[in-house]
Amino acid sequence: EVQLVESGGGLVQPGRSLRLSCATSGFTFGDHAMGWFRQAPGKGLEWVGFIRSKAYGGTTEYAASVKGRFTISRDDSKSFAYLQMNSLKTEDTAVYYCSRDRGDIVTGYLAAYEFWGQGTLVTISS
Amino acid sequence: QSALTQPASVSGSPGQSITISCTGTSSDVGGYNYVSWYQQHPGEAPKLMSYYASRRPSGVSDRFSGSKSGNTASLTISGLQPEDEADYYCSSYTSSSTVIFGGGTKLTVL
Repeated sequence: EVQLVESGGGLVQPGRSLRLSCATSGFTFGDHAMGWFRQAPGKGLEWVGFIRSKAYGGTTEYAASVKGRFTISRDDSKSFAYLQMNSLKTEDTAVYYCSRDRGDIVTGYLAAYEFWGQGTLVTISS
Repeated sequence: QSALTQPASVSGSPGQSITISCTGTSSDVGGYNYVSWYQQHPGEAPKLMSYYASRRPSGVSDRFSGSKSGNTASLTISGLQPEDEADYYCSSYTSSSTVIFGGGTKLTVL
């Protein structure tokens, strides 16, 4: 069974940093791109960014709203994905989700996120 | 890059069919088949309902079908059921190697 579990959320002051973790199991982690998403209270889904599998360079892409402040990384040996968030702003307050792309090293990235964690709440407030 | 355009709400009676549209540009929806649809019930994580414009993940009811024509993608739900009441989001890969979402559509089953 595929499982994703986010952790690391909490209440943080503006300007500070936070690192979210995404523990995964039930699939070959290294074969898939991993994405991060967020949803502000009462708002729609927002794509934060993703990291490609090592087979496709392990490179990252980010939404304009977080580029330069957030960094996504992966540890294939531990089946973990991470979201490092720096210079946090009040508008970063949201539930953050990690998700696995449906594509694999054969099909490549499909920008279709099939498995999701339960989300972790990040609140930025003084 | 602006969000994809979806209607804020749609409604239908049980057994009916509804279609949710998702309009973008030639730099996203029109330029790629990497269009996906997600269903989200309150307090839950999103669920992938359609991907690569018209493919359906295993386990998703065949009442859900995705399609695309030009810069507009659509999700059709046939034989509406009460449990289909949820928020629906479209997303697309873009020419900037990013992913953008629509604003979401609230489906009400009357």
